[in-house]
Amino acid sequence: GENVEQHPSTLSVQEGDSAVIKCTYSDSASNYFPWYKQELGKGPQLIIDIRSNVGEKKDQRIAVTLNKTAKHFSLHITETQPEDSAVYFCANNQAGTALIFGKGTTLSVSS
Amino acid sequence: DVKVTQSSRYLVKRTGEKVFLECVQDMDHENMFWYRQDPGLGLRLIYFSYDVKMKEKGDIPEGYSVSREKKERFSLILESASTNQTSMYLCASSLSPGSTDTQYFGPGTRLTVL
Repeated sequence: GENVEQHPSTLSVQEGDSAVIKCTYSDSASNYFPWYKQELGKGPQLIIDIRSNVGEKKDQRIAVTLNKTAKHFSLHITETQPEDSAVYFCANNQAGTALIFGKGTTLSVSS
Repeated sequence: DVKVTQSSRYLVKRTGEKVFLECVQDMDHENMFWYRQDPGLGLRLIYFSYDVKMKEKGDIPEGYSVSREKKERFSLILESASTNQTSMYLCASSLSPGSTDTQYFGPGTRLTVL
């Protein structure tokens, strides 16, 4: 079936460094690519999303890029802070009915 | 703010018991979802509903059923709990039918089946 591959599964950075998480997908009909952040003890929360008609979107320190030809999209966090430590999930819509989530990336930012 | 609440944060049940997990959203959302979250496997969709009394199977519906009698409430039922259903269960809702709306998640229920 359709899936989304997410890498890396864990990522450790120093405060102030950048972090990049990459996802690849298989459904060429996908047109929506959200990223969710899950803090300890909480449910995931949408932090940024991108639709297939744009290649990049930024919101302060976070950005998402999309390459539809190669079927991959990435989350970029600049100037990381300890509060960025969390599990991040990418997702894309499958056949217009539901989201398929990646397996998650645990980001640790050390000060 | 959208609020999605789940009836329990932690639940311990015995093998073979019937288990009900309740989810309520307060924003008149059409869509509601149940996921399970396991280490290394991410979020996997069990069932979703786009309207009252409507339900659709997700990727892993086996061993589960759901009920949506009212728009704001979506229940996940484990007819006969088994140890391999020990997991974190997350409920979510989104405003309108279709897959491009923001999903709002509850805090999760950690279920242990002994």
